[in-house]
Amino acid sequence: EIVMTQSPATLSVSPGERATLSCRASQSISRNLAWYQQKPGQAPRLLIYGASTRATGIPARFSGSGSGTEFTLTISSLQSEDFAVYYCQQYNNWPEWTFGQGTKVEIK
Amino acid sequence: QVQLQESGPGLVKPSETLSLTCAVSGDSISSGYYWGWIRQPPGKGLEWIASIYHSGSTYYNPSLKSRVTISVDTSKNQFSLKLSSVTAADTAVYYCARQKYSDYVDYWGQGTLVTVSS
Repeated sequence: EIVMTQSPATLSVSPGERATLSCRASQSISRNLAWYQQKPGQAPRLLIYGASTRATGIPARFSGSGSGTEFTLTISSLQSEDFAVYYCQQYNNWPEWTFGQGTKVEIK
Repeated sequence: QVQLQESGPGLVKPSETLSLTCAVSGDSISSGYYWGWIRQPPGKGLEWIASIYHSGSTYYNPSLKSRVTISVDTSKNQFSLKLSSVTAADTAVYYCARQKYSDYVDYWGQGTLVTVSS
C-alpha cells in the first residue's frame, strides 16, 4: 500500500496570505496525484489532478506542483472560502487508491 | 450537470449488512466512467471502498474485500454497495462518486451517514 503523508496537520493562515501544503508518497507515484477541498458538512471537491492541472472552475490562486514522492498545493492569497480541509490522493497504484490524512487550513 | 444521490438506511445493527444505492443523473452509467464508493468516519479522513465499471468489472480495497460487494444496474442508472458483518468501526459518511477512469473523483454525492449500533 502506498502511504500518503500530509503536513502540517493544521495550518494557521491570515486571509490574503499564501498557504503551502505538502503531501509525500511512500514510493514514487509519478504525477498521479489529486487534491481535494472539503468544507464542514460537504463532500470533497476536486481541485487539482495530474499533480498540477486545475479542475474545471477552480480559481487560479490554487496551484499544484511536484512529482515522484513530493507534492505541494499552494493557495496564493487565501480567501475566506478557502478555509477548509485539504486531502491529497494517489491514483498511481490503481485499484489501491489511498488518501492523505488531510491538512486543515484555519484562520489565524 | 452530473448528480449522484446516495440512499439507504441510516442505522444498521452490528453483524448485519449495510446496503446503499447511488442514483446517477445527468450522465449515463454506461458512459465510460468508473463509479465508486468512498467513506469517511466522523472526524477522520477518506477511505476508498470499491469501484465498478459498467461492464461489471469490480475493484475492491484489499482491507475490505472480504466483506464488500459492489454492483451496477444500468437499466436504473444506479449502482450499489453491500458491506457485510458491520461493526461500529464501519460507522461513517458514505459517498458515492464518479471516477475519471481509474484516476480521480470528479463528481461526488452529498454523502449519507450510516451508524452501526444496536
